[in-house]
Amino acid sequence: AQSVTQLDSQVPVFEEAPVELRCNYSSSVSVYLFWYVQYPNQGLQLLLKYLSGSTLVKGINGFEAEFNKSQTSFHLRKPSVHISDTAEYFCAVSSTGFQKLVFGTGTRLLVSP
Amino acid sequence: DAGVIQSPRHEVTEMGQEVTLRCKPISGHDYLFWYRQTMMRGLELLIYFNNNVPIDDSGMPEDRFSAKMPNASFSTLKIQPSEPRDSAVYFCASSFSLAGLGTEAFFGQGTRLTVV
Repeated sequence: AQSVTQLDSQVPVFEEAPVELRCNYSSSVSVYLFWYVQYPNQGLQLLLKYLSGSTLVKGINGFEAEFNKSQTSFHLRKPSVHISDTAEYFCAVSSTGFQKLVFGTGTRLLVSP
Repeated sequence: DAGVIQSPRHEVTEMGQEVTLRCKPISGHDYLFWYRQTMMRGLELLIYFNNNVPIDDSGMPEDRFSAKMPNASFSTLKIQPSEPRDSAVYFCASSFSLAGLGTEAFFGQGTRLTVV
């Protein structure tokens, strides 16, 4: 069975500062990894995905993530955040592509001026 | 395309009543997913369909829950009878398959269900 751990339930940060949201996973098979963002009262939107190839993945809105197989991690980073990045971020894992995603509990990113 | 459309956006019902949530996936998508989001359990996959056929319903919590997809453009999630612990946000998502794999899942805005 697969699982995802997002250790930080909330990450406060000042505008224009860098941020890292942590994600660790466990799986006995090869995995596909995803980050989704959820703005208030909205559905989830895909930020980026790792399926294969380069371990550094770039997504929308200036976010990137690095797949580290030895550490079973897929941390999300952004060098300079904006107020508009305030949202909940979910890490997810799947062994079958997009069909069956297992989500982490989410990390709330709070960006203040 | 208008995206995945869910109705209603909010539903308040009394314990014991039947509740039906509706979803219209994006045209051309052949996968449809139902998720439930709660503070305690986070996001859980309840069931998903491929070409209108249920593929995996192992996430459906109990027999009070049922889902159908009578055609490619419509799906329902029904709870009968509803209980307060069913209160959650229910999301529908859809995607299309490419080379045997699914592609990005597009989510609806969700239905916030409150059972009192």
